[in-house]
Amino acid sequence: GAGVSQSPSNKVTEKGKDVELRCDPISGHTALYWYRQSLGQGLEFLIYFQGNSAPDKSGLPSDRFSAERTGGSVSTLTIQRTQQEDSAVYLCASSLRGDTEAFFGQGTRLTVV
Amino acid sequence: DQQVKQNSPSLSVQEGRISILNCDYTNSMFDYFLWYKKYPAEGPTFLISISSIKDKNEDGRFTVFLNKSAKHLSLHIVPSQPGDSAVYFCAASDRGSRLTFGEGTQLTVNP
Repeated sequence: GAGVSQSPSNKVTEKGKDVELRCDPISGHTALYWYRQSLGQGLEFLIYFQGNSAPDKSGLPSDRFSAERTGGSVSTLTIQRTQQEDSAVYLCASSLRGDTEAFFGQGTRLTVV
Repeated sequence: DQQVKQNSPSLSVQEGRISILNCDYTNSMFDYFLWYKKYPAEGPTFLISISSIKDKNEDGRFTVFLNKSAKHLSLHIVPSQPGDSAVYFCAASDRGSRLTFGEGTQLTVNP
């Protein structure tokens, strides 16, 4: 596709359930990032992939959060046993090499009720 | 530890005038800086970037200035237009690693 695609665009889940968020980066981009933005807050870094490996996962807030990337393309962010504080917009971005500008998807708005 | 700071949460300017958005950073290892614009319910949109080997980069109405000694960068928009009203984020990276973002500045351009 022409841009970064994220799905679903909106997700409402019950507290304690697991959720999977998907990101399709721009074709050929080796670097992929996950961020989240809580209400009234800035962009919080979660994890960075270069190819299929994650040299920086220091932003994952707890062991309930995990992410993988396969084939150097699609990435999935999984949140287990969701909590209300997990409610946020989860943003994915990709860049050609990681030292160039990153392009963002539209985000997934996660609401935990 | 907030390594990238935007101290002004909001800025209001008149249409046609210059908008100046400021950003300060603390990590001297940052070597690449970017500005993004974000509308509500959309992902951030890349605007302009600058490498640490430069002190100015211009693209149409947008100019980014970098002062490495002061660890300060700014985005100038001239002339400002009502469609520029959005939240502006500055970001920095250290040799191709993660982007670290500031908290954002809400720009309002009044007609």
